[in-house]
Amino acid sequence: NAGVTQTPKFRILKIGQSMTLQCTQDMNHNYMYWYRQDPGMGLKLIYYSVGAGITDKGEVPNGYNVSRSTTEDFPLRLELAAPSQTSVYFCASSYSDMPQHFGDGTRLSIL
Amino acid sequence: GQQVMQIPQYQHVQEGEDFTTYCNSSTTLSNIQWYKQRPGGHPVFLIQLVKSGEVKKQKRLTFQFGEAKKNSSLHITATQTTDVGTYFCAGENSGGYQKVTFGIGTKLQVIP
Repeated sequence: NAGVTQTPKFRILKIGQSMTLQCTQDMNHNYMYWYRQDPGMGLKLIYYSVGAGITDKGEVPNGYNVSRSTTEDFPLRLELAAPSQTSVYFCASSYSDMPQHFGDGTRLSIL
Repeated sequence: GQQVMQIPQYQHVQEGEDFTTYCNSSTTLSNIQWYKQRPGGHPVFLIQLVKSGEVKKQKRLTFQFGEAKKNSSLHITATQTTDVGTYFCAGENSGGYQKVTFGIGTKLQVIP
């Protein structure tokens, strides 16, 4: 049972580039979340989904997009990378509206 | 908007000493969760408190939810080096999932 899997683990992007952070879970959870964590800070919710085909904005959605075509996958897209998006990104899933299972994170640097 | 304040931000304790972190919300919460994050790791869910005045224990960890459901605490008895990490609270407002707000966390260092 893999839980929540995030890829890649590390990435360096140039300003203006785009990329997709992948997240997949094998627990059949309806709820999935994307958070970012800046150094020494708590988690900020970017987007969340309560089921396939349903997504909604969190606290800091600007500069990001998501999709949820299947229960398992919840990719996060950065269209025009900016230095302010340098952060650690965590994907999480749960049966309820409370994130319980987190992936290992993607450490993203934008230079 | 909802704010969740957590204190202290840092705490150094000698191994064997007790440790407490406090979480305070600007609004009444429907529930509160606690997480632990080891250095370089991901948050790990510890517990959820729902009822006013609720107290739950997990071995050396004691979690409390205030009577007014606006504050919470995590107390660790006789800390061990394995307790090192950052402890986050996350409060859920009555508005539902998008209203879960994380505190800034308390970073615990245990000196052997």
